[in-house]
Amino acid sequence: SSELTQDPAVSVALGQTVRITCQGDSLRSYYASWYQRKPGQAPVLVIYGKNNRPSGIPDRFSGSSSGNTASLTIAGAQAEDEADYYCSSRDNSDNHYVFGTGTKVTVL
Amino acid sequence: QVQLQESGPGLVKPSQTLSLTCTVSGGSISSGSFYWSWIRQPAGKGLEWIGHIYTSGSTTYNPSLKSRVTISVDTSKNLFSLKLNSVTTADTAVYYCARLIVGGPYYFDYWGQGTLVTVSS
Repeated sequence: SSELTQDPAVSVALGQTVRITCQGDSLRSYYASWYQRKPGQAPVLVIYGKNNRPSGIPDRFSGSSSGNTASLTIAGAQAEDEADYYCSSRDNSDNHYVFGTGTKVTVL
Repeated sequence: QVQLQESGPGLVKPSQTLSLTCTVSGGSISSGSFYWSWIRQPAGKGLEWIGHIYTSGSTTYNPSLKSRVTISVDTSKNLFSLKLNSVTTADTAVYYCARLIVGGPYYFDYWGQGTLVTVSS
């Protein structure tokens, strides 16, 4: 099955922009979805498809994709955005799904 | 608003079977093009897709767990279940149920709160 690789950790100053990347072969065929997970809470979908936000997700969250890399951008990061972020996509084989290794975002 | 809620024992002995149920409210488990999924996260590690079921009963499992996993659905009770047999301490994790949207972009839109299952004697 495919793997999705993310940088383990990134930091961003309050109000600045941070981009999180996710790399994997499956991303050449399928869009990534992105999930925010805070300690003790369930993951929350923040981006899906080409660049879609569920209701209630601030517009500072956006997604993009090129080749085998998907990106999640937080423009004007807020303290409440500090969390772990995971990408996910359908695998190239059968109807399997895979999650990225996760990126811890720290807002300074 | 669809809601999912996991339930089941929080402690399972090694070699025994882990059994969890996910009750769906706010919508019928039989409606729409949804797959009902199980995902887990061991402490300090990332998310791992376990498998999913369609309301027809069709299942797909993570190859790494396939020999030990069974997911079933009970449409009359609006719930689906996970059984993982021959558990070891490596199966200790927070287990989530989630709804998977398919047919266009693929994504998990609703998640349960998660339930911690500890495998220990």
